[in-house]
Amino acid sequence: DAGVIQSPRHEVTEMGQEVTLRCKPISGHDYLFWYRQTMMRGLELLIYFNNNVPIDDSGMPEDRFSAKMPNASFSTLKIQPSEPRDSAVYFCASTETGVNTEAFFGQGTRLTVV
Amino acid sequence: QQQVKQSPQSLIVQKGGIPIINCAYENTAFDYFPWYQQFPGKGPALLIAIRPDVSEKKEGRFTISFNKSAKQFSLHIMDSQPGDSATYFCAANKGSARQLTFGSGTQLTVLP
Repeated sequence: DAGVIQSPRHEVTEMGQEVTLRCKPISGHDYLFWYRQTMMRGLELLIYFNNNVPIDDSGMPEDRFSAKMPNASFSTLKIQPSEPRDSAVYFCASTETGVNTEAFFGQGTRLTVV
Repeated sequence: QQQVKQSPQSLIVQKGGIPIINCAYENTAFDYFPWYQQFPGKGPALLIAIRPDVSEKKEGRFTISFNKSAKQFSLHIMDSQPGDSATYFCAANKGSARQLTFGSGTQLTVLP
């Protein structure tokens, strides 16, 4: 398996524009997570899905953020409208049901909002 | 209740030294404590993990020490190498819940 695949790797956009980040989890994994990493706040969980259903979105900072998982092999995180304070590295991770199974992270999308 | 506190923020050691990174948690419901290693431009990757029914776990040069009564756990890297230079995150998870709560990270530099 190629691991968790995220796209794009880098995104630069202007304030006010819509940004869509994409993630393909590892095949067979039934949990998918979106994290945001910044110097100030570290790694924060934004939202996670189980079997394509959002379970906990309490980490989503504002209504400008939304996430979907239309099927087991694809998820998106959308920011609309984007703001400079959204600049961060966004990671997607996946894991499977079981006791303390490992979460596998993608390489991240570095978002810069200017 | 969900916080995991990690220290130090950064650490510099000479090759062969034994860096120690410490974490403390508050939520006694946490029962799985992994450490993740992250290299620049990469996502975090699982390094080693421990459950609270043991006080120590060793994998190669990496050892986790766990003190349940103090709600603390630490990572020791024996015979550290320049290739160990990375950011290390402790984390905690509870039961069947899948979401990890991460510490703030420690940037380790091992000098040649």
